[in-house]
Amino acid sequence: QKEVEQDPGPLSVPEGAIVSLNCTYSNSAFQYFMWYRQYSRKGPELLMYTYSSGNKEDGRFTAQVDKSSKYISLFIRDSQPSDSATYLCAMSFDNTDKLIFGTGTRLQVFP
Amino acid sequence: GAVVSQHPSWVICKSGTSVKIECRSLDFQATTMFWYRQFPKQSLMLMATSNEGSKATYEQGVEKDKFLINHASLTLSTLTVTSAHPEDSSFYICSAGGSNYGYTFGSGTRLTVV
Repeated sequence: QKEVEQDPGPLSVPEGAIVSLNCTYSNSAFQYFMWYRQYSRKGPELLMYTYSSGNKEDGRFTAQVDKSSKYISLFIRDSQPSDSATYLCAMSFDNTDKLIFGTGTRLQVFP
Repeated sequence: GAVVSQHPSWVICKSGTSVKIECRSLDFQATTMFWYRQFPKQSLMLMATSNEGSKATYEQGVEKDKFLINHASLTLSTLTVTSAHPEDSSFYICSAGGSNYGYTFGSGTRLTVV
């Protein structure tokens, strides 16, 4: 079993839809949880950074962490074609330790 | 926010030559930097963890003599691909940890060995 599981997609949605991206993990010691967006041939761009359980909102993006279920989510409201990218979840034990990545979910938002 | 600069963004080199990739944290001090390799349509594979002033820690299966990592200062880490071969062609990405913004990635370097 992988430490971090993420559905690779692809996920195709119409413009304006609410997108839900998820990851599950097996190690309860993870404390820091991140979501990255990666466009083709570019480095990952940090979208959300959360510590422990709870919700965090930033514009159209909401990140949720449920440590009891070992489950994290990223919601994108009013999705736009420019949101089309690969979304990677990542987590670590502390804020200087190496990141453990999910495989990434490829999202396609069509007009 | 935290910014990590990575150069070059792409490089083509002849088989047998060496290539150096630089990763700089521009507005924060990065005690730890990470080097990743990414194949098309795959996730990032961690190659090594670089700590300022000490030897890098390599992941299993990564040849430390082939992928030389130097982290001489709190703002600069370098990855040198020595005696490059076509199978080393890949997308290499660095990231820096320790800022208040979590882990920030460079823009990546596309290496093509011909």
